[in-house]
Amino acid sequence: QKEVEQNSGPLSVPEGAIASLNCTYSDRVSQSFFWYRQYSGKSPELIMSIYSNGDKEDGRFTAQLNKASQYVSLLIRDSQPSDSATYLCAVKAGGYQKVTFGTGTKLQVIP
Amino acid sequence: DGGITQSPKYLFRKEGQNVTLSCEQNLNHDAMYWYRQDPGQGLRLIYYSQIVNDFQKGDIAEGYSVSREKKESFPLTVTSAQKNPTAFYLCASSSRTTGSYEQYFGPGTRLTVT
Repeated sequence: QKEVEQNSGPLSVPEGAIASLNCTYSDRVSQSFFWYRQYSGKSPELIMSIYSNGDKEDGRFTAQLNKASQYVSLLIRDSQPSDSATYLCAVKAGGYQKVTFGTGTKLQVIP
Repeated sequence: DGGITQSPKYLFRKEGQNVTLSCEQNLNHDAMYWYRQDPGQGLRLIYYSQIVNDFQKGDIAEGYSVSREKKESFPLTVTSAQKNPTAFYLCASSSRTTGSYEQYFGPGTRLTVT
């Protein structure tokens, strides 16, 4: 079992819809969770961090964390074509700063 | 203007040659990391350093070496022992003092070895 799992996609949504990206992780002691956006040929860009159960909203983005289910998700409201990218889920566990990345979900927003 | 710089953006080398990738940050971050990304794959950790003059192997350290002589700099050498060196190399840094562990990435170096 991979430590951090994501559906590779592509996930296609129409412009203006809500895109829902999901991630599961295997290490129960994981403490910190991150979502990165990576455009083709570019480096990852941090868009959200979440550390406690529940929802965290930032603009059109909402991160949701459920530690009991070992599940973290990212919702993108009013999706725009510029949101088309690969979204990487990352999880930190343990006392040192190693972060494990999922392989990413490719999102396509159709105009 | 704080950030992480990597140079060069593109690098071409012949097989059997060592090559050094530069990573510099002016964010005053203690921790720095090197990742490798292959097409369609996630990021794999090569080496990381939490403080100056100290570094640890990541998941795929074979064929790579690093140094951390200054807080701002964490160069990566890809040696001829690395069997498949062609990849996108990403450097990142994070702060230990804030406790957030958020990693910020440089623009990357795309290495092609033929």
